[in-house]
Amino acid sequence: DGGITQSPKYLFRKEGQNVTLSCEQNLNHDAMYWYRQDPGQGLRLIYYSQIVNDFQKGDIAEGYSVSREKKESFPLTVTSAQKNPTAFYLCASSMSLGDNEQFFGPGTRLTVL
Amino acid sequence: RKEVEQDPGPFNVPEGATVAFNCTYSNSASQSFFWYRQDCRKEPKLLMSVYSSGNEDGRFTAQLNRASQYISLLIRDSKLSDSATYLCVVNDGNNNDMRFGAGTRLTVKP
Repeated sequence: DGGITQSPKYLFRKEGQNVTLSCEQNLNHDAMYWYRQDPGQGLRLIYYSQIVNDFQKGDIAEGYSVSREKKESFPLTVTSAQKNPTAFYLCASSMSLGDNEQFFGPGTRLTVL
Repeated sequence: RKEVEQDPGPFNVPEGATVAFNCTYSNSASQSFFWYRQDCRKEPKLLMSVYSSGNEDGRFTAQLNRASQYISLLIRDSKLSDSATYLCVVNDGNNNDMRFGAGTRLTVKP
């Protein structure tokens, strides 16, 4: 089955530690995105990638980093510089940047203790 | 002013009721509009796109008013399974960014 996966579903980390969230898709999509969702707020774009080896900052990129070495994979690292990292992180993909429909992974709920 | 604004609700309605949600957007250059559905602690999924002339998909009707910069979603004959949060999503025509509203929460009760 084609789809987009994220792991792990729940993640707990101590303050000051970097953590990497996985996102994989087998939809052959060029574009991939990372969002965070906080209670009472809409999804906010962290980073996006139009194509392999290319990525751009979104609205709230500070304290995060990404890589896009393979078309299928777009991991997100939450660094210790991110001041408020506890959130629900959603990865998405679309056929091309700005394509009408984005497909979302099941999300990773990160809690920093 | 937020780029995409929605009434957060919650909307609590009985089964069979008709319920409508509105959403306003600030960027007049926006090109594409969508409603996504998000179940509790799950990922958003596309419910329907919103076309200029309005469109219907079964019990769901979406409309766009470009002059007033709002879109709406009407749900007829509500089912228990319609209980979810409905996200208004607008494509920023300048940068191909999708802008998400915070969502409107709907609970349909027996």
